[in-house]
Amino acid sequence: RKEVEQDPGPFNVPEGATVAFNCTYSNSASQSFFWYRQDCRKEPKLLMSVYSSGNEDGRFTAQLNRASQYISLLIRDSKLSDSATYLCVVSPIGGSYIPTFGRGTSLIVHP
Amino acid sequence: GAGVSQSPRYKVAKRGQDVALRCDPISGHVSLFWYQQALGQGPEFLTYFQNEAQLDKSGLPSDRFFAERPEGSVSTLKIQRTQQEDSAVYLCASSLNRGAGANVLTFGAGSRLTVL
Repeated sequence: RKEVEQDPGPFNVPEGATVAFNCTYSNSASQSFFWYRQDCRKEPKLLMSVYSSGNEDGRFTAQLNRASQYISLLIRDSKLSDSATYLCVVSPIGGSYIPTFGRGTSLIVHP
Repeated sequence: GAGVSQSPRYKVAKRGQDVALRCDPISGHVSLFWYQQALGQGPEFLTYFQNEAQLDKSGLPSDRFFAERPEGSVSTLKIQRTQQEDSAVYLCASSLNRGAGANVLTFGAGSRLTVL
């Protein structure tokens, strides 16, 4: 079982839709959580951190559920420009603190 | 520099050739990571440096892979006797902090290696 699991999709949604992705992680000692965005043939870029209390940045909301070991990303009012792959990242407590990436969820927003 | 710089952006190698990929991190960034990303997959960890010290190389797939960061800034990932399965994008990322704080990563554009 991979440490960080994501549904690869693609999620195909119309403009204006609300879409949500989940990511599960296996290491209960994980400490830090992030969502990165990766456009086709580009490098990953930080989208937002995920805090225990949940956090919101404009149309994007991230939440953490430690009990069930998953994080989520909600995108409201989807734009064509939101089309990308969304990577879930988890960093453990202790050890060498290596950020571990999921395989990503592909989102396609169509007119 | 303003960002993480990687070179070459594209490399085509014949099977059995050696390749060297360079990463120039953001100035002052303590932590440096190498990841390998195959098509349709997420980045897979290769190795981690804190300054010049290689603290974790558990992700290197074989002894044909070697990485160094001798002066704590520029890093080189070397792949000896390349195989077709080495074809991937090699991503370098740096972070200002160390340890548990080294989790917000800035990536370079990657080096796309194709082994024929």
